[in-house]
Amino acid sequence: EVQLVESGGGLVKPGGSLRLSCVASGFTFSTYSMNWVRQAPGKGLEWVSSLSSSSSYIYYADSVKGRFAISRDNAKNSLYLQINGLRAEDTAVYYCASLTTPFDYWGQGTLVTVSS
Amino acid sequence: QSALTQPASVSGSPGQSITISCTGTSSVVGAYKYVSWYQQHPGKAPKLMIYDVSDRPSGVSNRFSGSKSGGTASLTISGLQAEDEADYYCCLYTGISTYYLFGTGTKVTVL
Repeated sequence: EVQLVESGGGLVKPGGSLRLSCVASGFTFSTYSMNWVRQAPGKGLEWVSSLSSSSSYIYYADSVKGRFAISRDNAKNSLYLQINGLRAEDTAVYYCASLTTPFDYWGQGTLVTVSS
Repeated sequence: QSALTQPASVSGSPGQSITISCTGTSSVVGAYKYVSWYQQHPGKAPKLMIYDVSDRPSGVSNRFSGSKSGGTASLTISGLQAEDEADYYCCLYTGISTYYLFGTGTKVTVL
C-alpha cells in the first residue's frame, strides 16, 4: 500500500522557520519527482515546489521563492521542505504529493499556522 | 501565471450530468496536454479523477470524463450521485516556470 506521511507542522510566529518532512512507502520513491502542494483554510490548492528524482531539477512558486527550500533523501525515502521567513499567508495544510499521473500519490497533509 | 479559472459552484440533481470548465488563455491550456482533474472531499487529500485531458486512472468511475477545446478544459460527471458532492480542481502541468498550475476550484452540490 502506498503511503505518504507528512510531519513537522505547527504554530509558528511570523518570521519563524519550520522543516516539514514526508516519509514515503509502498512505491519506488527514488524514481519519482516529488512535490509540495498547500491549501490555505477554506481556499484552493496551490503548487509550492517540485524536486526531480535525483535532485537535479528544482522549481518553486514565485510566492515562496527565496524563502522555501525543497530537498530529499532517497536512502530514507524522505522529502523535506525548509520554510523560512514565515508569513501569515503561508498558513495552510501542506501536502506531499507525487503528481506523476496516473501514479498520483498524496499524503494526509500537515498544518502550518503562522500567528503571533 | 495566474490560476486557471473555474466556476465557483455547479449543482445538479441525482442522475443528471454536469460539466465543470477550466479556463486559461489558449497559450496556456491550449499548449499543454497534461491537464488533470482532482476531487477533494472535506478534510481529505485530493484524489486524481482524470489525467492527460481525458484518461481515467484505474478504479475511477467511467461517469467521469474529460475534454479540452482551445483554452478550456472540461470535466463532465454523468449520472450524478450523492458521493460526487465535493470540490473539484483542474491542474495543468507545464514543466517550466510555474511548474504546476491549479484551477480556482469548483464546489459540486448534489441537490
